[in-house]
Amino acid sequence: AQSVSQHNHHVILSEAASLELGCNYSYGGTVNLFWYVQYPGQHLQLLLKYFSGDPLVKGIKGFEAEFIKSKFSFNLRKPSVQWSDTAEYFCAVNHNNAGNMLTFGGGTRLMVKP
Amino acid sequence: GAGVSQSPSNKVTEKGKDVELRCDPISGHTALYWYRQSLGQGLEFLIYFQGNSAPDKSGLPSDRFSAERTGGSVSTLTIQRTQQEDSAVYLCASSLVAGGVINTIYFGEGSWLTVV
Repeated sequence: AQSVSQHNHHVILSEAASLELGCNYSYGGTVNLFWYVQYPGQHLQLLLKYFSGDPLVKGIKGFEAEFIKSKFSFNLRKPSVQWSDTAEYFCAVNHNNAGNMLTFGGGTRLMVKP
Repeated sequence: GAGVSQSPSNKVTEKGKDVELRCDPISGHTALYWYRQSLGQGLEFLIYFQGNSAPDKSGLPSDRFSAERTGGSVSTLTIQRTQQEDSAVYLCASSLVAGGVINTIYFGEGSWLTVV
């Protein structure tokens, strides 16, 4: 079965620090990749997605992610975090041969100190 | 409506009682998903509906869990004889599927279930 791993469970940063959250998946075929964010008390929202094309994907609020097929990775980055980025971040993978099921990683809780 | 709507937003129930959770997907979305998010855990897939196809029930944790989708729109997740380990946020999501290809999945705000 396909699995998605987010190795950083909790991350604490100061404002203006750079952020990189890791995401690795287990399946080697064609995949669609997503990052979702859940702000405190709110529902899951799409941050960015990769289906094909340029492996460097830009999303909302200054976030970007890079798909590296050889490393089975889709790490999320932001050059300078803000206090308002405090949230939980989920990586998700859809494998085209798995129908439309979306498999999520365990999430990374990010706390940004003002 | 504009987004995925779930009800109730909060539910406290006694152990052993049955509960029903409702999801109203985005209009026109043919795919509907149920996920469960337990405290400190990731999102656990429960069940997936797509059009008129048989649902993918592979994620349901036990036969106490069932779901149906009427008229290709509203879905109800039913948990019978609730147990304390069923306490979680139950998330519903919907998406368009075109040519067999997934599109972005949009989530509702969830139904917080507490079994006491």
